[in-house]
Amino acid sequence: AQSVTQLGSHVSVSEGALVLLRCNYSSSVPPYLFWYVQYPNQGLQLLLKYTSAATLVKGINGFEAEFKKSETSFHLTKPSAHMSDAAEYFCAVSDQGSSYKLIFGSGTRLLVRP
Amino acid sequence: NAGVTQTPKFRVLKTGQSMTLLCAQDMNHEYMYWYRQDPGMGLRLIHYSVGEGTTAKGEVPDGYNVSRLKKQNFLLGLESAAPSQTSVYFCASTDSNQPQHFGDGTRLSIL
Repeated sequence: AQSVTQLGSHVSVSEGALVLLRCNYSSSVPPYLFWYVQYPNQGLQLLLKYTSAATLVKGINGFEAEFKKSETSFHLTKPSAHMSDAAEYFCAVSDQGSSYKLIFGSGTRLLVRP
Repeated sequence: NAGVTQTPKFRVLKTGQSMTLLCAQDMNHEYMYWYRQDPGMGLRLIHYSVGEGTTAKGEVPDGYNVSRLKKQNFLLGLESAAPSQTSVYFCASTDSNQPQHFGDGTRLSIL
């Protein structure tokens, strides 16, 4: 069965500092992986996706993630945090069967200190 | 272009009452999903549909029913609400293995 683990329910960084949000997955087949962001009282917005092309994936708002098969990881990074990045971030793996279901991690809330 | 629209946005119910949450998408997507979001647990799949007239159980289906009578609509029903069903409910849709598009959610409180 597929699963996703996000290390750290809360991550706090200073404005301008590196953002690193960790995601490890378990999948018996080559996975499709996603990062979503959720701002307060809103739905989920896609940041980026990995679909077995380039291992370094660039997304919106300056975020990127690197797929490392040997480490079963898909960590999200951003070189310089902005106050507007404060939100909750979810990593998800796709069921590549006929239903395309998503299995989500428990989420990481990013706090950005001025 | 509305995308995925959920109604209502907020609702308070008493234990034992019933209600239906509506999800509508205007992207002609085949696949639709209902999730619930609870603190520290991410999103968990309740039910899903792979096309008009089809439904299937997800990870946490107990206490919920769904219907997909029209391709653009996916209804989630609570027949007898329980406090454990207090949550934020999200609907999503997709076409093939593209990223899912999410609605803004329905906040449901059951007293």
